[in-house]
Amino acid sequence: GQNIDQPTEMTATEGAIVQINCTYQTSGFNGLFWYQQHAGEAPTFLSYNVLDGLEEKGRFSSFLSRSKGYSYLLLKELQMKDSASYLCAVKRNQGGKLIFGQGTELSVKP
Amino acid sequence: GAGVSQSPSNKVTEKGKDVELRCDPISGHTALYWYRQSLGQGLEFLIYFQGNSAPDKSGLPSDRFSAERTGGSVSTLTIQRTQQEDSAVYLCASSRGSSYNEQFFGPGTRLTVL
Repeated sequence: GQNIDQPTEMTATEGAIVQINCTYQTSGFNGLFWYQQHAGEAPTFLSYNVLDGLEEKGRFSSFLSRSKGYSYLLLKELQMKDSASYLCAVKRNQGGKLIFGQGTELSVKP
Repeated sequence: GAGVSQSPSNKVTEKGKDVELRCDPISGHTALYWYRQSLGQGLEFLIYFQGNSAPDKSGLPSDRFSAERTGGSVSTLTIQRTQQEDSAVYLCASSRGSSYNEQFFGPGTRLTVL
């Protein structure tokens, strides 16, 4: 089976740094994804990790440890527009389907 | 179009009625996915098409749900004898192929079953 856990809600201050954690247990792991979803909108792709380590892309970075079944999304220099739900998803070896966590609702306060 | 499109954007139906939801993937994308998102929940995989291969239907919650993809492009998700628990946002996504990592999502169809 598969299980993906991430915090339900987080709050952070504009200009600060926030780390959103995701742990997973799944067979046939073939990569971990982070998506951003603003209320009422479609999810948009943020990052993909398949090897251990940190992937940096502008203000956003994503980390993966396959041995620990753990990933995090790091958001720097937070802006109000970063208030959104952040979805962690695992891709399994069989085909391209993604298994999503419940999502973390991030609120950025002034 | 430039992105994945879905229709209708909103659908209200009565319990017991059948509904059809449509997805137009990005041109040239061979992989197409259906997910649903219930209020306050994460995305739940429903079904996946890749080229001419048999679809992966492992996520369909019951035999009231079915989907087809005609000509390797447009897909229709059909829900028969709708129930109130079917109320959700149904999202379609496409990618260049199953080995490509980025899935592009459409805006979704919000289904409300009264």
